[in-house]
Amino acid sequence: GQQVMQIPQYQHVQEGEDFTTYCNSSTTLSNIQWYKQRPGGHPVFLIQLVKSGEVKKQKRLTFQFGEAKKNSSLHITATQTTDVGTYFCAAGANSKLTFGKGITLSVRP
Amino acid sequence: NAGVTQTPKFQVLKTGQSMTLQCAQDMNHEYMSWYRQDPGMGLRLIHYSVGAGITDQGEVPNGYNVSRSTTEDFPLRLLSAAPSQTSVYFCASSIQWGVGLFFGEGSRLTVL
Repeated sequence: GQQVMQIPQYQHVQEGEDFTTYCNSSTTLSNIQWYKQRPGGHPVFLIQLVKSGEVKKQKRLTFQFGEAKKNSSLHITATQTTDVGTYFCAAGANSKLTFGKGITLSVRP
Repeated sequence: NAGVTQTPKFQVLKTGQSMTLQCAQDMNHEYMSWYRQDPGMGLRLIHYSVGAGITDQGEVPNGYNVSRSTTEDFPLRLLSAAPSQTSVYFCASSIQWGVGLFFGEGSRLTVL
């Protein structure tokens, strides 16, 4: 499977602040997926990016695929307490989807 | 639609016991997969299936077996449980390979 890295594993922000996290690969990715897992819950699919430089928005969340298709970013504008959870990126090849270790976001009210 | 249903939600086993985690989906999804989630390790792929009758190994297949006799069901069998298999197990499916996965609610397994 394709390896993707997410660093750091934890981030704490004040409610209202913006938040950006990255997903990096040493190889070119065919596509990238993002998932969110709330504490005690299961991962939920958010988005898939396929094209070089692609940008997709979901309300306050903006997802971008790098021009070289080796990295992706997730940006949350004006974080809210409902944004808490772990965000995973995942990349697939040969019918196998490999997940990064995720970044756990906490939001101070 | 119930989505992806996993049973049981919780299970405690003794070392050496065997058991089956059940996974069923009612969305006519061709692709199904099993992941385990451990603290700090993210989600690791155990086995996957691209359609009925076809299964293959993921990243961490040792100690686990799967079968896919129908489109709907994808059970995960632990042959002889070990403490290292203590984990949360997620079943996930999608209409086909390469699109977003729907996850079940998970099964928390403890092996003593």
